[in-house]
Amino acid sequence: KNEVEQSPQNLTAQEGEFITINCSYSVGISALHWLQQHPGGGIVSLFMLSSGKKKHGRLIATINIQEKHSSLHITASHPRDSAVYICAAGTGNQFYFGTGTSLTVIP
Amino acid sequence: DSGVTQTPKHLITATGQRVTLRCSPRSGDLSVYWYQQSLDQGLQFLIQYYNGEERAKGNILERFSAQQFPDLHSELNLSSLELGDSALYFCASGGGGDAGELFFGEGSRLTVL
Repeated sequence: KNEVEQSPQNLTAQEGEFITINCSYSVGISALHWLQQHPGGGIVSLFMLSSGKKKHGRLIATINIQEKHSSLHITASHPRDSAVYICAAGTGNQFYFGTGTSLTVIP
Repeated sequence: DSGVTQTPKHLITATGQRVTLRCSPRSGDLSVYWYQQSLDQGLQFLIQYYNGEERAKGNILERFSAQQFPDLHSELNLSSLELGDSALYFCASGGGGDAGELFFGEGSRLTVL
């Protein structure tokens, strides 16, 4: 069993839809990262969370430490949001990665 | 631009060879993390250095080694290369300690033929 599980693995949405990607983890953590990887490979860190909720533009990330669960929400999705979203949970020393959620937003 | 620089961007080599991947962290970041991303395994943590010292080790093979130099740049050495070592190798840097932010380089794509 992976230390970090993501769902769904693949997601196709129509432009404008509200999207949720889930991440559950089984390890003790001090932080959880949501990463975005576009085709071509570059990885961008979207959020770092240790509690509560963060919002950047149309992206919202939440974490429930007691339930060991985090969600990434995208409001008013756009084709440029098409990417792989990766959850990484751990401490400053070591992070465990989910296998990623491949999101395709269709115009 | 994350501020993390990785070289080379692409590398093609043959089985049995040795290569060195280089990472320059963001200015001021003390931690460097190395990750491997292969098609079938996703992102795998390899190793972390903090201010020149090895801090944590993940799924790093014995054929691989890394170090962080006094100027904080890091090198990942891959030897006796096998076809399965073909992957994207990412370096990330952060301030270190717990709950640190991560900034990723663009990766080095290694192809072993």
